[in-house]
Amino acid sequence: EPEVTQTPSHQVTQRGQEVILRCVPISNHLYFYWYRQILGQKVEFLVSFYNNEISEKSEIFDDQFSVERPDGSNFTLKIRSTKLEDSAMYFCASSGQGSTEAFFGQGTRLTVV
Amino acid sequence: AQSVTQLDSQVPVFEEAPVELRCNYSSSVSVYLFWYVQYPNQGLQLLLKYLSGSTLVKGINGFEAEFNKSQTSFHLRKPSVHISDTAEYFCAVIPNTGGFKTIFGAGTRLFVKA
Repeated sequence: EPEVTQTPSHQVTQRGQEVILRCVPISNHLYFYWYRQILGQKVEFLVSFYNNEISEKSEIFDDQFSVERPDGSNFTLKIRSTKLEDSAMYFCASSGQGSTEAFFGQGTRLTVV
Repeated sequence: AQSVTQLDSQVPVFEEAPVELRCNYSSSVSVYLFWYVQYPNQGLQLLLKYLSGSTLVKGINGFEAEFNKSQTSFHLRKPSVHISDTAEYFCAVIPNTGGFKTIFGAGTRLFVKA
């Protein structure tokens, strides 16, 4: 069964460093998303991406965040200068025409120290 | 805009007892409705979803949920819980307006006691 794959499963980074979280969506999907879940809290929408551009973003998704689909198969989330409060689980999701749900990856746990 | 309210942040229950986790939503457009389960330090697993048709939907692990349009609710139930059901449960909606942005509730922590 096709699935969304995220790497790495856990990343530790120093405050101020740049990180790139990687996702491989399901191959024929066209809609891509990033969500964030701070420990013990709800899952929050960050950004949606369609047709090679951001279609919607939340207030959380400020200038330190960016997304890219560099090669037609990967979908990345970059955080330019990480802060302690960026520590969270980040989920990637994708959907396609005819889908009735978004399919979620297993998440990347980002720890900023 | 849409919102999802999970009325209980924590639900303690004894093993083999029934449980209901409550969810209400608000939306000016029709929505698809979902329940996800998250075990400690793991990702999101889809339990069940309501798209249309019969208002009672059955999911994995013996869970079911009932859509009530007039009350804008989508409560999750299980007739007899197990210790292994201890987890965080999230109710979520996707507005039926194109795209698949998922809006989550704050979660309910189900704690099953022996």
